[in-house]
Amino acid sequence: GQSLEQPSEVTAVEGAIVQINCTYQTSGFYGLSWYQQHDGGAPTFLSYNALDGLEETGRFSSFLSRSDSYGYLLLQELQMKDSASYFCAVGRDDKIIFGKGTRLHILP
Amino acid sequence: GAGVSQSPRYKVTKRGQDVALRCDPISGHVSLYWYRQALGQGPEFLTYFNYEAQQDKSGLPNDRFSAERPEGSISTLTIQRTEQRDSAMYRCASRANTGGYNEQFFGPGTRLTVL
Repeated sequence: GQSLEQPSEVTAVEGAIVQINCTYQTSGFYGLSWYQQHDGGAPTFLSYNALDGLEETGRFSSFLSRSDSYGYLLLQELQMKDSASYFCAVGRDDKIIFGKGTRLHILP
Repeated sequence: GAGVSQSPRYKVTKRGQDVALRCDPISGHVSLYWYRQALGQGPEFLTYFNYEAQQDKSGLPNDRFSAERPEGSISTLTIQRTEQRDSAMYRCASRANTGGYNEQFFGPGTRLTVL
């Protein structure tokens, strides 16, 4: 089977940096992706890692260590609009499973 | 269309009724997924299709749930004899291709309420 673990909530201050961790267990592995979901909205794609290392996209970066079955999403220069839920997801044979999500609260 | 669409956006039904939820993926997208999402939780995998073939239905909760994608485009998720525990947001997502990775595009969802 497949399972993912991520913190349920994280709080950070506007302008700061925050890291959201994700550990996974899967019988096969295709890649780790991250999605953002604002209240009342649909999940939207942020990033994807198939290989170990860091992928950077603007203020967001995502890291993967396949040997540790671990990844994280790094958000820099936090803005109030980054307040949302963030989901990690793993894919295997086109089947994509999501974690339960991390609610990010940003304080002014 | 420009994105994934789902209909109806809201459905209220009485326990015991059948409901059909429709998903219209982005034109040309090969893979189509159905998820159920409870408030404050992540999308829970139900089933997915590549073209018209259902590849995995292991997430369907029981045999009251079924899905089809007969022509490899529009998909319908059907819930028979609905129960109150079926109340949730049902989301559809599509991907351009199989294999490797390409992002999923989610629709706005259908909010199902079973009274």
